Amino acid sequence: DAGVIQSPRHEVTEMGQEVTLRCKPISGHDYLFWYRQTMMRGLELLIYFNNNVPIDDSGMPEDRFSAKMPNASFSTLKIQPSEPRDSAVYFCASSYSGQGAGQPQHFGDGTRLSIL
Amino acid sequence: DQQVKQNSPSLSVQEGRISILNCDYTNSMFDYFLWYKKYPAEGPTFLISISSIKDKNEDGRFTVFLNKSAKHLSLHIVPSQPGDSAVYFCAATHQTGANNLFFGTGTRLTVIP
Repeated sequence: DAGVIQSPRHEVTEMGQEVTLRCKPISGHDYLFWYRQTMMRGLELLIYFNNNVPIDDSGMPEDRFSAKMPNASFSTLKIQPSEPRDSAVYFCASSYSGQGAGQPQHFGDGTRLSIL
Repeated sequence: DQQVKQNSPSLSVQEGRISILNCDYTNSMFDYFLWYKKYPAEGPTFLISISSIKDKNEDGRFTVFLNKSAKHLSLHIVPSQPGDSAVYFCAATHQTGANNLFFGTGTRLTVIP
């Protein structure tokens, strides 16, 4: 049973470049979340989707960040242009609301992003 | 502003003893709480949860206690095992809202053999 799949696992790029992170949620899940993990703030929610529609993007730090979910099995988080302070581990998670709100989210293994 | 706080960044415990991880929250609307465990280079995995209608939930070696008046919850691991060494995140949500979770900054548990 496949879990949440993220790619790439590691990304190293130079400041100013465009970065695209990818996520495939668990089949049948109707919620998808993007998080950023830093030492200072722990796991920060950036944006989440319900049935492919963005519901809350208030956690997106700047206009340089954008996220899309063109279909139920794929989402992207894009940073353009990237800056060194964007270096972090980015996680994607999905969940199923059918059993009520607050259901556990299932996380991918993350993308470790380093901006030089 | 952090609505869920884990004030101890790290904890070391001897194998076989009890590990107690603490979590505080500020939002009185939160009514469902979860603990996640995270190993290096992996994503967090769900461990145990508790609804605000309960004050205790137990699953094997893991027990979560909720004190609503103090806005405090704790995770007890008894007995602790070296494989429990990981970062533990506390999370909270309100079930009348969406499925988004508010996470703490995590506590790194080290169980010493």
